[in-house]
Amino acid sequence: DAKTTQPNSMESNEEEPVHLPCNHSTISGTDYIHWYRQLPSQGPEYVIHGLTSNVNNRMASLAIAEDRKSSTLILHRATLRDAAVYYCILIFQGAQKLVFGQGTRLTINP
Amino acid sequence: EPEVTQTPSHQVTQMGQEVILRCVPISNHLYFYWYRQILGQKVEFLVSFYNNEISEKSEIFDDQFSVERPDGSNFTLKIRSTKLEDSAMYFCAMKGQTYVYEQYFGPGTRLTVT
Repeated sequence: DAKTTQPNSMESNEEEPVHLPCNHSTISGTDYIHWYRQLPSQGPEYVIHGLTSNVNNRMASLAIAEDRKSSTLILHRATLRDAAVYYCILIFQGAQKLVFGQGTRLTINP
Repeated sequence: EPEVTQTPSHQVTQMGQEVILRCVPISNHLYFYWYRQILGQKVEFLVSFYNNEISEKSEIFDDQFSVERPDGSNFTLKIRSTKLEDSAMYFCAMKGQTYVYEQYFGPGTRLTVT
């Protein structure tokens, strides 16, 4: 499984944008970039995924570098409810399992 | 968003006892998974299940573990003879189709082995 590198923790303020980085320098052409998050005492929750182009959904935006060796999850206006561990996961086409790393623990200050 | 439910929410058992963890499937979801998370550690993949067969399993999923989905009903994880190190949160997950990538996770069952 291709490896991702994320900062252990980040902190931001409520109602401000948050940019969560992920490095994946060994990504292959068929690897999809996925983001999940885990709120305290809950199961992981799908956030967004992409292959090459930037993606937006109701939860977040995903910005993918042109060489695909890094990506950034963008929360446009953080709320206290966004405090969670965020996982960047690479999944090759057709794969089934998710391989979780340590993720980034995001703290949101009121 | 589809909601996955798991029962029980918390299970306490003695070492050596059998436990069965249950997951209620979402309609039309075909792929099922079990993951576990030991307190303070990463979420770890255990097993994937499709078309009434195990499609992949990890090294953790040894002979003490089994999964089944009898008669298309609940998806279950059985641990035959629990050990102290089986204490963890167990998450069920599912997804709809092969090239749909989003997995939907349940809230988990906290298993405590004493």
